[in-house]
Amino acid sequence: NAGVTQTPKFRVLKTGQSMTLLCAQDMNHEYMYWYRQDPGMGLRLIHYSVGEGTTAKGEVPDGYNVSRLKKQNFLLGLESAAPSQTSVYFCASSPQGHSGANVLTFGAGSRLTVL
Amino acid sequence: KNEVEQSPQNLTAQEGEFITINCSYSVGISALHWLQQHPGGGIVSLFMLSSGKKKHGRLIATINIQEKHSSLHITASHPRDSAVYICAVRWDGSNYQLIWGAGTKLIIKP
Repeated sequence: NAGVTQTPKFRVLKTGQSMTLLCAQDMNHEYMYWYRQDPGMGLRLIHYSVGEGTTAKGEVPDGYNVSRLKKQNFLLGLESAAPSQTSVYFCASSPQGHSGANVLTFGAGSRLTVL
Repeated sequence: KNEVEQSPQNLTAQEGEFITINCSYSVGISALHWLQQHPGGGIVSLFMLSSGKKKHGRLIATINIQEKHSSLHITASHPRDSAVYICAVRWDGSNYQLIWGAGTKLIIKP
């Protein structure tokens, strides 16, 4: 199984450019999440989805948009990239919420640099 | 003050040593996760626990709900255990969100 696949793995943008990160999972998981990881800080939740067609804001949603048109895909968009969005982005999925015995499966990460 | 604090931030040890990483939290929780992030960046879930103790191979995780504290132990440490170990808690006020620690960077020297 591929698990959770993120594309692209690396990207360099100029300030003001837009881009989309794609997350695909083949485990039929209901829940999907986008996190960002910055040096010296814990993972921070950007947006999440509890099922196809649904999205919700996490801890740091400003400057990002998401869509979950298909259950297996969760897209993260940057409308107008800013240097503050330079980070490593992780997608994760789980069969239901973080609760109970369910654990998260993470993608390999996407390193984004905004100049 | 962060709601989830890990200690130490960095730990270097010799191969074979017994390793302990600590996680303290200040909120009411229903579960605590331990994860491992490899030098290449990949993140893997190790344990999810809400009470007591769990063991998997050389890894042992314990939690004391009353003291709001969890520990991750590694017995007979090996250089391949070198990674960042992350603690995250599911707080009572949310179904979906975890509160994450900043991680403990572990280096095991041969």
